[in-house]
Amino acid sequence: GESVGLHLPTLSVQEGDNSIINCAYSNSASDYFIWYKQESGKGPQFIIDIRSNMDKRQGQRVTVLLNKTVKHLSLQIAATQPGDSAVYFCAGPNAGGTSYGKLTFGQGTILTVHP
Amino acid sequence: EAGVVQSPRYKIIEKKQPVAFWCNPISGHNTLYWYRQNLGQGPELLIRYENEEAVDDSQLPKDRFSAERLKGVDSTLKIQPAELGDSAVYLCASSPDHLDRSYEQYFGPGTRLTVT
Repeated sequence: GESVGLHLPTLSVQEGDNSIINCAYSNSASDYFIWYKQESGKGPQFIIDIRSNMDKRQGQRVTVLLNKTVKHLSLQIAATQPGDSAVYFCAGPNAGGTSYGKLTFGQGTILTVHP
Repeated sequence: EAGVVQSPRYKIIEKKQPVAFWCNPISGHNTLYWYRQNLGQGPELLIRYENEEAVDDSQLPKDRFSAERLKGVDSTLKIQPAELGDSAVYLCASSPDHLDRSYEQYFGPGTRLTVT
């Protein structure tokens, strides 16, 4: 199975700064990771994903970096805005069998953006 | 495109009472998931459906929890009887059928259950 965890439970940044949220995973066979954003009172929202054959993937203002050597991934948010304030989860799959499609979520990092 | 719909959004019940949650997935998504999210934690999978078949219910506490998806579209999750520890947000999610996108899960807003 997969175990994912986050280094810091909270992160506070100033508007306009870049944010970096980190995540560690345990299963070296994991081949896919997803970052979700969850705002208060809402379900998690898909942000960006990355497959293990990639080191980096960019979206709109977000970049995910994957370091398979140390089993670490990060989410970078450029020019952080107050609307980015939320809880961010990394998630990874359990491999194979009936667990295909089963995601294991980390605990989450609370991002607070100050105007 | 309409998202995943869940109802009710909030539910407060006394312990030992039954409760049911309803979910309608995104149109065309045959895979449906029920998760439980405790305060300050990530979602934890309870059950996954492929069409009307429950393909992974290993994390579902079957003594009090049950789920159904009779026609392979909407789904109901039931707890009977509820316990204080069941207080949580119950999330429903769905994903596209294509193998490469099966991890791309779209979540509903959840039902916040409070058991008193």
